[in-house]
Amino acid sequence: EVQLVESGGGLVQPGGSLRLSCAASGFTFSSYSMNWVRQAPGKGLEWVSYISSSSSTIYYADSVKGRFTISRDNAKNSLYLQMNSLRAEDTAVYYCARDMVQGVIMAFDYWGQGTLVTVSS
Amino acid sequence: DIQMTQSPSSVSASVGDRVTITCRASQGISSWLAWYQQKPGKAPKLLIYAASSLQSGVPSRFSGSGSGTDFTLTISSLQPEDFATYYCQQANSFPPFTFGPGTKVDIK
Repeated sequence: EVQLVESGGGLVQPGGSLRLSCAASGFTFSSYSMNWVRQAPGKGLEWVSYISSSSSTIYYADSVKGRFTISRDNAKNSLYLQMNSLRAEDTAVYYCARDMVQGVIMAFDYWGQGTLVTVSS
Repeated sequence: DIQMTQSPSSVSASVGDRVTITCRASQGISSWLAWYQQKPGKAPKLLIYAASSLQSGVPSRFSGSGSGTDFTLTISSLQPEDFATYYCQQANSFPPFTFGPGTKVDIK
């Protein structure tokens, strides 16, 4: 069974940092591209970042570029999101999500349960 | 960037009703469109990919159609478990992988 479990969320002050993790199991993690998607309270879904299976290709949304860094450790079946210079508008539930087809970006077929990041003083 | 719009933003319907949600892209995206269902406090669930392909395990009352800029998600006979918010997402031109603003389906 495919499972994605996020952790690392919490309350952080504006300007602070946080590192999110996503532990993957039930599939060959090293073969799939992964994403982070967030959802502010009461709002819609916003794609945040993408990383290819080998980490050779990385994309960011303009809203986080230069502040967030996506990475992965295929040996540990883990995905990460390092978030620096956090702002109030980064407050959201952060989901990790898997690309459904190896090598092709089509849709996100498995999602974690999400981890809440709250940026507030 | 490609912008995605959805209509309506909300719809009230009864069990058994046929419900249609429209998604429009600001430029052509071929068939690179997915639909997701999200219930409160839960992660999104993939329903449809490549505009019209049903994800494994999704009931056949859900169907998708369209290509280019205009797409439709149809629920042929609404069930109690279908009350949720539905999002479209384009995967043709990225970054970013743009989501639509969502359509909330609630009980009439």
